[in-house]
Amino acid sequence: DAGVTQSPTHLIKTRGQHVTLRCSPISGHKSVSWYQQVLGQGPQFIFQYYEKEERGRGNFPDRFSARQFPNYSSELNVNALLLGDSALYLCASSAHQGAGGNEKLFFGSGTQLSVL
Amino acid sequence: AQKVTQAQTEISVVEKEDVTLDCVYETRDTTYYLFWYKQPPSGELVFLIRRNSFDEQNEISGRYSWNFQKSTSSFNFTITASQVVDSAVYFCALSEARRGNTGKLIFGQGTTLQVKP
Repeated sequence: DAGVTQSPTHLIKTRGQHVTLRCSPISGHKSVSWYQQVLGQGPQFIFQYYEKEERGRGNFPDRFSARQFPNYSSELNVNALLLGDSALYLCASSAHQGAGGNEKLFFGSGTQLSVL
Repeated sequence: AQKVTQAQTEISVVEKEDVTLDCVYETRDTTYYLFWYKQPPSGELVFLIRRNSFDEQNEISGRYSWNFQKSTSSFNFTITASQVVDSAVYFCALSEARRGNTGKLIFGQGTTLQVKP
């Protein structure tokens, strides 16, 4: 079975542009989360979606938005790109909501975004 | 506020040495979950272990072992007889035990482990 897939693998943009990153979860997984990982740091939580609804949002500006589609795939959109948005963007999926907090996350290899 | 601290930024050992990666966490919750993930150069984070706050038993899986001490808010990870393939960045993470929380983890800064042949 395929793991979490993300596209594109690498992306170069200039300041002020908009970017859309895509994620396909593991088949059967209904929850998708997005993380930003700046070089040398741990991943920072951006969004969590379950059954197409936003269930959690991290401390990121409104320039960041996301959505989840009926097939549970997801997009992360970032508007008005800044140099500081350069990072590895990771998508993770998990099987179900459960009791909350104890889900094992499966991560994709990420999209490396460079903003020039 | 919840926080995870991995004080060791980089560790370098020679193959077959034992190595311990430290993790200290902060939370006001009485119920929470702790995780360790491995990030190889390919980028994806690989799940290693999950532990809930009520289970302080140490765990061993092959060459890996974990020591959870609630009294010191620590969840340390030991690799016995390290191998070159263990070279990676290792992250400790904390999760709230909250209904609906299916994917929010608070990660530490990570520890880069280099195992030399």
